[in-house]
Amino acid sequence: AQRVTQPEKLLSVFKGAPVELKCNYSYSGSPELFWYVQYSRQRLQLLLRHISRESIKGFTADLNKGETSFHLKKPFAQEEDSAMYYCALLYGNNRLAFGKGNQVVVIP
Amino acid sequence: GAGVSQSPRYKVAKRGQDVALRCDPISGHVSLFWYQQALGQGPEFLTYFQNEAQLDKSGLPSDRFFAERPEGSVSTLKIQRTQQEDSAVYLCASSLLIGRESNEQYFGPGTRLTVT
Repeated sequence: AQRVTQPEKLLSVFKGAPVELKCNYSYSGSPELFWYVQYSRQRLQLLLRHISRESIKGFTADLNKGETSFHLKKPFAQEEDSAMYYCALLYGNNRLAFGKGNQVVVIP
Repeated sequence: GAGVSQSPRYKVAKRGQDVALRCDPISGHVSLFWYQQALGQGPEFLTYFQNEAQLDKSGLPSDRFFAERPEGSVSTLKIQRTQQEDSAVYLCASSLLIGRESNEQYFGPGTRLTVT
């Protein structure tokens, strides 16, 4: 069965400091991973997906199949990065399995 | 353009009542998904439609949960005889295409259901 693990519930970082959100997955098929973000009082939205290999709002994530990880990184956190972040795995062609989420608080 | 909309945004039901939650997907989107998000958890898959066909309902937690999309557009998630454990945010999402083509799922704002 598919599973996504985000070990840290709350992450507090100072503005300008690096931020890394960990995500590990288990899946027997070919993995396709996403990061979704939910800002305060907004709906869940896609931040980035591994196949596009792009940087969005300064965030990057690399799929490491050997370690079954898809950690999200940003070298310099900004206040507007404060949000809830969810790692998600696509399975069964189009269903998403989400982790429990990380609450990120950027301290000014 | 308009995104996915859901109504009501908040619903309080007494235990044992039936509720109906509505989802209006983005126009033209073929796929529609329902997820349940309990407090402090990530969204969990409930069911999936491709047009009007319900192709997967493996995530529905019990036979009290029923979903439909009769004309391939608007969908309704119905919960019969609500229980306290049904309290959660119910999210609807839609995507344009089908299959594993990295379709982005666009989420609605959710309906927060509280069963008292």
